Amino acid sequence: NAGVTQTPKFQVLKTGQSMTLQCAQDMNHNSMYWYRQDPGMGLRLIYYSASEGTTDKGEVPNGYNVSRLNKREFSLRLESAAPSQTSVYFCASSARTQGYEQFFGPGTRLTVL
Amino acid sequence: TQLLEQSPQFLSIQEGENLTVYCNSSSVFSSLQWYRQEPGEGPVLLVTVVTGGEVKKLKRLTFQFGDARKDSSLHITAAQPGDTGLYLCAGARNAGNMLTFGGGTRLMVKP
Repeated sequence: NAGVTQTPKFQVLKTGQSMTLQCAQDMNHNSMYWYRQDPGMGLRLIYYSASEGTTDKGEVPNGYNVSRLNKREFSLRLESAAPSQTSVYFCASSARTQGYEQFFGPGTRLTVL
Repeated sequence: TQLLEQSPQFLSIQEGENLTVYCNSSSVFSSLQWYRQEPGEGPVLLVTVVTGGEVKKLKRLTFQFGDARKDSSLHITAAQPGDTGLYLCAGARNAGNMLTFGGGTRLMVKP
């Protein structure tokens, strides 16, 4: 089992460009999440999907959109990238019955110039 | 202002020393988790505590959940270089799957 996979691992964008971060999990988890991690800020929730077919805003959703493509895949889209979106992005998944443990992917390091 | 405040933010110690990391909040959590993150990787769960006053031990790591379920601590005995990393606490406030993360404590253990 690969667990949670993310692509790409690194990305550099110019201000105003768009891109989609991909995430997939093979653990048959119902819930999936997108976080961003900035120095000293821990992890902040951008969007989450409690189950296939549903998505909800987290703490910092502005400038992002998500798609829960199926049970395995959850993508994060930046329509018009801004320098403030320079960060490391983590995807995570959890099974509703497992005491909230979240399994994280390796992250995508995004720089917006 | 973060819902979960971790202290200290940075800690650099020598191998063999003991240390305690704190995670404090004014809110009550139904459960609290501790994660460890190494450079270039995602966080990995160390432990979940759910009962006020609960103490869990994982080899040289001791985790405690406060009686009022608003705070937690992580104590490491005889730290080793392999303990180096970013330690994150995360609390769940309801029966759903939402976690709120603290800002993290970056630990460096020098040989």
